Amino acid sequence: DTGVSQDPRHKITKRGQNVTFRCDPISEHNRLYWYRQTLGQGPEFLTYFQNEAQLEKSRLLSDRFSAERPKGSFSTLEIQRTEQGDSAMYLCASSLGSSANIQYFGAGTRLSVL
Amino acid sequence: KNEVEQSPQNLTAQEGEFITINCSYSVGISALHWLQQHPGGGIVSLFMLSSGKKKHGRLIATINIQEKHSSLHITASHPRDSAVYICAVSPGRTGGTSYGKLTFGQGTILTVHP
Repeated sequence: DTGVSQDPRHKITKRGQNVTFRCDPISEHNRLYWYRQTLGQGPEFLTYFQNEAQLEKSRLLSDRFSAERPKGSFSTLEIQRTEQGDSAMYLCASSLGSSANIQYFGAGTRLSVL
Repeated sequence: KNEVEQSPQNLTAQEGEFITINCSYSVGISALHWLQQHPGGGIVSLFMLSSGKKKHGRLIATINIQEKHSSLHITASHPRDSAVYICAVSPGRTGGTSYGKLTFGQGTILTVHP
């Protein structure tokens, strides 16, 4: 257990539905990252928060995706009008500091869009 | 061409063998990370390095900044080492600041047979 928790672990939804995932980072970590991993591939960066500010978003993040970290603690990632191509593992990671520190990953939320 | 390339993609070994996984990258980095992912499990950081060599137990990681190349070695491999090993980089400049977002290779699937 790395101390980063994600909920739910698995989500099955029908195409067109909205889904929301939650990430609770290690409490003192100021940085929080969302990544997406499809089968047989390495993770891809989606977005990044420093405290409550969303500082960077990948071009992979379409308008259907939104992420928040309202109080600089937990974060949510919402996908609206899900598509089958959204099926993937969504990983959250957190780190402390202002440089390239070690990131601690949650176990991920596996999304299946039917 | 991906910014981070790993080889081999798949590796099968007998218990006790010495294992090497290679990683090449094409961007400037502030750090390189080696991570381990077990099936169905989360990702765990093994090493973060920006120069030279690091050792932890039976694992050794090296990096050559000039050649933009890193290797992960496992000595006296064991079936419990079976996992996906992922190389990732924090884009930036050595010693410079970075948001710390990671760019990942596609991973190397290692299977160690008893």
